[in-house]
Amino acid sequence: QQQVKQSPQSLIVQKGGISIINCAYENTAFDYFPWYQQFPGKGPALLIAIRPDVSEKKEGRFTISFNKSAKQFSLHIMDSQPGDSATYFCAARGGSYIPTFGRGTSLIVHP
Amino acid sequence: GAGVSQTPSNKVTEKGKYVELRCDPISGHTALYWYRQSLGQGPEFLIYFQGTGAADDSGLPNDRFFAVRPEGSVSTLKIQRTERGDSAVYLCASSLVPSGTDTQYFGPGTRLTVL
Repeated sequence: QQQVKQSPQSLIVQKGGISIINCAYENTAFDYFPWYQQFPGKGPALLIAIRPDVSEKKEGRFTISFNKSAKQFSLHIMDSQPGDSATYFCAARGGSYIPTFGRGTSLIVHP
Repeated sequence: GAGVSQTPSNKVTEKGKYVELRCDPISGHTALYWYRQSLGQGPEFLIYFQGTGAADDSGLPNDRFFAVRPEGSVSTLKIQRTERGDSAVYLCASSLVPSGTDTQYFGPGTRLTVL
């Protein structure tokens, strides 16, 4: 049972382009939605997170858009750079302290 | 300061053997989490410690898996009678205090290969 569905599985963009990764959840008890960035051989690192009381959160080139009624949220990476090449995971948490992760999106940014 | 460290970074073992994986959390962090990450998948929760006690072990797949944190700092994940399906990266994370929005800091993981 996959509680957080993430797409696409892989994404290739050109330097300077916009990368968009989408996630959908089922459990309406989720109330915290973090995104993690993972480089090869490293553990995931928190990138940005949002609560459902706001529809958008921006930190630098990274923006989360949140649609509570549709139970969907997405990560936008503006002006994508080769250094952004990594695997990105969305997650959802509610009630407990344990996040449920999506399956990940492998992002490659070509120079 | 030092982040979460995990040892060994790689472990190769034979089916049926016993393994121990170690996690050193960030100093002062009271919460510690173990996850398992299979190839092409997101981290899957195994167990969560608050201090010395296991607050939630609902993610442990079966009784071959066990974890301890005797002094509320270092934790050891123990796997008995390993199976090939146990092959994965085992991640440890810690957070200052458990809360709805606490940041979990992950270690680099231990890659376990069961032959």
